[in-house]
Parts: sequence; structure tokens; C-alpha cells
Amino acid sequence: EAQVTQNPRYLITVTGKKLTVTCSQNMNHEYMSWYRQDPGLGLRQIYYSMNVEVTDKGDVPEGYKVSRKEKRNFPLILESPSPNQTSLYFCASSPGQGRVVIGYTFGSGTRLTVV
Amino acid sequence: GENVEQHPSTLSVQEGDSAVIKCTYSDSASNYFPWYKQELGKGPQLIIDIRSNVGEKKDQRIAVTLNKTAKHFSLHITETQPEDSAVYFCAAPKAAGNKLTFGGGTRVLVKP
Repeated sequence: EAQVTQNPRYLITVTGKKLTVTCSQNMNHEYMSWYRQDPGLGLRQIYYSMNVEVTDKGDVPEGYKVSRKEKRNFPLILESPSPNQTSLYFCASSPGQGRVVIGYTFGSGTRLTVV
Repeated sequence: GENVEQHPSTLSVQEGDSAVIKCTYSDSASNYFPWYKQELGKGPQLIIDIRSNVGEKKDQRIAVTLNKTAKHFSLHITETQPEDSAVYFCAAPKAAGNKLTFGGGTRVLVKP
């Protein structure tokens, strides 16, 4: 089954403790992205990657890191989490058409709470 | 950058009636406009999209219309059913196409 898999689904952590949310897709998509979803703010892009070893900032990148060492994986790293990073996070992938992002497939989400 | 505004934020309709959600965008070079449906506890799922070279696209009970001059596009759901209850998001890309900006979402409730 074609899918984007995120882990974990739920995570409660303490301020300052480094964490990684994993994302993997099995569709051979070139484009991958991370979004956070907050009430009233919709989906905001954190980082995206056009291909292996190519990453770029989205609209809200502060406090996050990403890496794209393999095509299928795009982990989101929070080096020193803070309470304002409490949110619902989604990973997404797209085959793209040239540089145009089309037809996102989203993961099921990771609900992160930072206390 | 691209700014996408979506209205209304909540929409309550009677089963069988139609629902319309509208989005406006700012980047006149945008050429691809998808709509996503998010059910409770799940990630958004693409339900329909439209390219800028067409004005309307239909898929069974859902349709999307695009007005490039006015820079707005709309989602129309006809003969609504309880399973249509969800949060709907519109989106538009920046001119370069490599970033997708989402609207704030519309929570649709279909009352039986």
C-alpha cells in the first residue's frame, strides 16, 4: 500500500530534550515536506526537500532541523524542544512535476506535547 | 509570498443541501489549486485539484471552480451526506511551485 508513515503517533516530552520524528514514504517520491497544524492557523510548512541532500526552509523553520540522506526518509529533529512547539505534525510527499508540487500524500500525524 | 485565505471557518448544512467553501490567493502566477479533506484523527487527503488552464472540474458530488482574474477558487459539495463532515483545506503554490501554502481550513458539519 502506498503510504507515508510517521512515528511516533503521540509523544510527550520535556523542554530541552532532543527528539526525532521519523517519516518514510514507499512511493519513490522526490518531494517531501513537514507541516505543523495548530488551531486557527491551518497547516504551516516547516521544511521541505526537493530531493536527496536538498532541503529548504518553509514558513516556520525556527527550532527545527531536517535531513534527507535517502529518498524515502525525511526525519524532523527538534534539538531543544520548547512548549510553543506543542502541535500536530504532518509529513507529506509528492511526486512533483518538475518543480511543481502536486498531489500530496500525508502521513497520519504526530501529536507532540512539550511540557 | 503566497497568501491563501479561506472562508468560512465553519459551515453547518442540512443533509442533502449544498456546501460551498471559497479561497482567495495572492500570487497571480499560481497554477495549481488542490483541495484536501481531513477527517478526525487522520492526515489530510487530496480530494480534487484544478489547473489554471481550466475553469471548472467535477468528480461525482464535488466540484472546484477557478476564477484566475479574481484570484479565487471554490469547492462545491452537492447532496451532502454525514460522511462529508470533516475539515477542508484549500492550497496554492508559490510561483516557483515548490512550496504549497494552505488556507486556514473549514470545518464542515452535515446534520442528518
